[in-house]
Amino acid sequence: SAVISQKPSRDICQRGTSLTIQCQVDSQVTMMFWYRQQPGQSLTLIATANQGSEATYESGFVIDKFPISRPNLTFSTLTVSNMSPEDSSIYLCAVGPQASYEQYFGPGTRLTVT
Amino acid sequence: AQKITQTQPGMFVQEKEAVTLDCTYDTSDQSYGLFWYKQPSSGEMIFLIYQGSYDEQNATEGRYSLNFQKARKSANLVISASQLGDSAMYFCAMKSNFGNEKLTFGTGTRLTIIP
Repeated sequence: SAVISQKPSRDICQRGTSLTIQCQVDSQVTMMFWYRQQPGQSLTLIATANQGSEATYESGFVIDKFPISRPNLTFSTLTVSNMSPEDSSIYLCAVGPQASYEQYFGPGTRLTVT
Repeated sequence: AQKITQTQPGMFVQEKEAVTLDCTYDTSDQSYGLFWYKQPSSGEMIFLIYQGSYDEQNATEGRYSLNFQKARKSANLVISASQLGDSAMYFCAMKSNFGNEKLTFGTGTRLTIIP
C-alpha cells in the first residue's frame, strides 16, 4: 500500500485568498487524483495529475480556479484560488499505484472559507 | 458514463449483528472494479474491499465481504459481527479498467452501531 500525507490538515481562510495543498506519497506513482467532498456530500473528482503533462480536469472544474502541479512522481499540489465560502470542503488526494487496482487516499485537508 | 446508487442514507444496527449496505451500479464497460471505502468522522477514506468484474468469487477481507451479483449489477457490502468502531460513512465506488482510472462514488450510507 501507499502512504500519503497532505498539508495542511485543515485551514480557515478569508474569501478572495488562495490556498495551496500539498500531497506527498512514499513511493513513485504515475497517476494522482484530487477529489473534493463538500459538506455532507460524496466525493467528486476535480482532476487527474500525471507527471510531465497537464492535469486533466473534470467537467465543472477549471485550471484557473484549481491549478495543479505535478513536478515528480511522488508529489503534487492543488491550489484553490480566489476562494469563496462555497469552496469550503474536504480536499483529498489519491493515488493508484502501478500494478495495483486499489486507490489510496490521503488524510484530507479540511478547508473553511469565511 | 458510470453511476453508483446507494439507497440507504442511514442505518442503525445493534452491536454484534451483521449488516448489509446496498450498492447498485450502472456501466457499459465490460471490465471494471468495485470498491468500498469507510470514512470515519476524521474524514480519511479507508479502503475496505475490492471486487473485479471478472472475479468469480465474492471478495472477502476479514469481517467484510462483498456480495457481487453481476447480472443484477449489485455489489453489497456485508459486515459481520458489527463493532462500535464500525460507525462511519460507507461509500461504494467503481472505476473502469480502461481509461483514466478515476473513481465514481455513490452518495454514501451512514452506519451507526448501537451498543
